[in-house]
Amino acid sequence: QVTLRESGPALVKPTQTVTLTCTFSGFSLSTSGMCVSWIRQPPGKALEWLALVDWDGARYYSTSLKTRLTISNDTSKNQVVLTMTNMDPVDTATYYCARISRSASGTATHEYWGPGTLVTVSA
Amino acid sequence: DVQMTQSPSTLSASVGDRVTITCRASQNIKIWLAWYQQEPGKAPKLLIYKASSLRSGVPSRFSGSGSGTEFTLTISSLQPEDSATYYCQQYDSYLYTFGQGTKLEIK
Repeated sequence: QVTLRESGPALVKPTQTVTLTCTFSGFSLSTSGMCVSWIRQPPGKALEWLALVDWDGARYYSTSLKTRLTISNDTSKNQVVLTMTNMDPVDTATYYCARISRSASGTATHEYWGPGTLVTVSA
Repeated sequence: DVQMTQSPSTLSASVGDRVTITCRASQNIKIWLAWYQQEPGKAPKLLIYKASSLRSGVPSRFSGSGSGTEFTLTISSLQPEDSATYYCQQYDSYLYTFGQGTKLEIK
């Protein structure tokens, strides 16, 4: 059974750096074809893809946010970590992690999602 | 980056109606298009992948079609539990992008 769960601070101050952790089970990120993405959703707004790390350690970032994002994985802990620098109130959102399987039998898109964690940016 | 445009933004329909949502890509994404359903306060759920493949466990009243730049999600007979916001998402490259969403309400 594949599960993912996000964790991190609920409240951060403007200009701070936030670290979010996605802890998953039911698969290994070292298995060929596996990837984990981070996606966010401001209150009442649309989904926005942020970053992805794949089974080979390759990392991909949103064009508009790439200077502020770092994604990393700890295979031994089954965790993927996202850091975002210089937080601003417009970054207030629910942050989700999701699994992708690019194997021959996979859907190649975000098939399993965590419940999300709300991060509020306010002084 | 590929831009995704959904229409309409909101939709109101009655139980039993046939409903269609359209998604347009700013460039050719072949069949790399997914549809998600999101209920308030919950994470999105994958419904359709590769433009027309129904995810296991998703009711057969949902279907997807299209290729290139024009795609549609169809609900053949609307049910009360289908009230939600629907998003398209392209994955032709690793730079994923979502549409702005279509809120579907039941009359």
